[in-house]
Amino acid sequence: KQEVTQIPAALSVPEGENLVLNCSFTDSAIYNLQWFRQDPGKGLTSLLLIQSSQREQTSGRLNASLDKSSGRSTLYIAASQPGDSATYLCAPRGGNEKLTFGTGTRLTIIP
Amino acid sequence: NAGVMQNPRHLVRRRGQEARLRCSPMKGHSHVYWYRQLPEEGLKFMVYLQKENIIDESGMPKERFSAEFPKEGPSILRIQQVVRGDSAAYFCASSGLASTYNEQFFGPGTRLTVL
Repeated sequence: KQEVTQIPAALSVPEGENLVLNCSFTDSAIYNLQWFRQDPGKGLTSLLLIQSSQREQTSGRLNASLDKSSGRSTLYIAASQPGDSATYLCAPRGGNEKLTFGTGTRLTIIP
Repeated sequence: NAGVMQNPRHLVRRRGQEARLRCSPMKGHSHVYWYRQLPEEGLKFMVYLQKENIIDESGMPKERFSAEFPKEGPSILRIQQVVRGDSAAYFCASSGLASTYNEQFFGPGTRLTVL
């Protein structure tokens, strides 16, 4: 059974700083891994999808890395902005199609 | 290109009533997934459907919950005889034909409150 852990659970950083969010998962037999953001009371916005054969994926100020064999992924956010404040979720996907979610990292960017 | 649509966005039911949650996938998507987010908990998979087929319902509670994705129309998650513990946000996601490597795109969710 896949289990996903995200550390830290909460993070506050001043605007402009670079930061890294961590995700670890127990079952390395995954097809891909998605990073999402969730704003309070809202749905999930897909940020990046990284395939199991990839090491990195980039979109704008976001960069996701994946080390499948060690069961780890990181999300790097460059030059953070107040609008980046949200809960960030990682979700690896196995062959059974379903995503398994961590409990997220609640990020606050301080202006 | 409309995204995943869910309605209603908010639903209030009294204990014992039925709740019907609807999900229209993105255009061209034939795979639908339902997830539940209980208060202060992470999202949990409930069920995976393709048109007219339930592929994986391993996350569905054994009683009172059912899901369908008919040939025409939206996917429906039905909860019979709701209890307070069913209060949660229910999210639907969809993906395209070649789902193995495709992203799942999420709808805005239905927030169910059971009084």
